[in-house]
Amino acid sequence: DQQVKQNSPSLSVQEGRISILNCDYTNSMFDYFLWYKKYPAEGPTFLISISSIKDKNEDGRFTVFLNKSAKHLSLHIVPSQPGDSAVYFCAASESFGAGSYQLTFGKGTKLSVIP
Amino acid sequence: DADVTQTPRNRITKTGKRIMLECSQTKGHDRMYWYRQDPGLGLRLIYYSFDVKDINKGEISDGYSVSRQAQAKFSLSLESAIPNQTALYFCATSDGGEGNQPQHFGDGTRLSIL
Repeated sequence: DQQVKQNSPSLSVQEGRISILNCDYTNSMFDYFLWYKKYPAEGPTFLISISSIKDKNEDGRFTVFLNKSAKHLSLHIVPSQPGDSAVYFCAASESFGAGSYQLTFGKGTKLSVIP
Repeated sequence: DADVTQTPRNRITKTGKRIMLECSQTKGHDRMYWYRQDPGLGLRLIYYSFDVKDINKGEISDGYSVSRQAQAKFSLSLESAIPNQTALYFCATSDGGEGNQPQHFGDGTRLSIL
């Protein structure tokens, strides 16, 4: 049973417009949410995170919104650039105490930014 | 030089063979992880280690074993490879602390088992 769901396998956006990538989760014990970006033939790289006690975190062109009651988060990229074309993974962290935690990843959404 | 290095980058082998994938890091992190990625699926945790004397099973550890030879080295072994272990394997490291500590990934090992 998937605890982290990215229901859109792909998304195409025009350069300069907003990209919105969505993620839903089922486990209310997740305390952090992270987004990773992955280019072909490379490993995922960390993009941005948000604590479960926040509803928004912003870093330059990237903003993550968390709606805890709906168990939903989204990543907004404004403005989108061709270099943003990649697979984006949503991940959620659950703490097991004493600094122990595990990440659960969604399946990813492939973003294509069209020049 | 890459902070997290995986070797080999690609490997093709036959069913029943023993395979070892290696990971080394220069980030000085205590925590290391092995994941696999299958087409259309996210990354799934195989094993993780919080220090040299600590090894923990992840979500899909059956058929795999690991060795933490040093703080900087964490290897993954397939004792008797089978075709459904064909996948992209990633090693990652992280610092301690809270669950928002980002994990730093290697560039992956593409493993094909015939």
